[in-house]
Amino acid sequence: AQSVTQLDSHVSVSEGTPVLLRCNYSSSYSPSLFWYVQHPNKGLQLLLKYTSAATLVKGINGFEAEFKKSETSFHLTKPSAHMSDAAEYFCVVSSNSGYSTLTFGKGTMLLVSP
Amino acid sequence: GAVVSQHPSWVICKSGTSVKIECRSLDFQATTMFWYRQFPKQSLMLMATSNEGSKATYEQGVEKDKFLINHASLTLSTLTVTSAHPEDSSFYICSARRDSTTYGYTFGSGTRLTVV
Repeated sequence: AQSVTQLDSHVSVSEGTPVLLRCNYSSSYSPSLFWYVQHPNKGLQLLLKYTSAATLVKGINGFEAEFKKSETSFHLTKPSAHMSDAAEYFCVVSSNSGYSTLTFGKGTMLLVSP
Repeated sequence: GAVVSQHPSWVICKSGTSVKIECRSLDFQATTMFWYRQFPKQSLMLMATSNEGSKATYEQGVEKDKFLINHASLTLSTLTVTSAHPEDSSFYICSARRDSTTYGYTFGSGTRLTVV
């Protein structure tokens, strides 16, 4: 069994300040973890993924996330927010046991103010 | 590479009619495609897993006679919402798995269905 908990439903930041979106997971197997971004009425775009290689993962648009097994966390960060980062972000887990399905967190809405 | 095209991007239909949504993998073969439903301000819920040449596997609580899925080729899966009602109004998103690794997923851009 696997599950994902996104700890904040909404996060508000000012443009130019750091972003932290929190995610905790549970998985019976060695997990793969992803962060996806969704703009209004759009599909999902992959930001980054962890698949048992380096624990610090760098993604697109300046985002990165660190896999911490001891804390079962995979928080998403960005040093400096842009207005264009305002969107919904989903943390997703999948086990590495072959053809596993994705389990989505409930999402975190990132609001960026000028 | 790895592009998934979903069509239409939005559709409005009358109650009682059927609507077909297409999901195509444009530059790869997808033996498995997934259909999700997303309610406003909520996460994605997996509806069914579609395997090429076989019957789809539906998640618990999803009516297979209501949501017909056909995966006739390695690049096309369709979701037909039959006898649509206003409560079927939602955002539907497909995803295609392009290889045997867990992380080879690509999502379509979604379809906004409104039933009036």
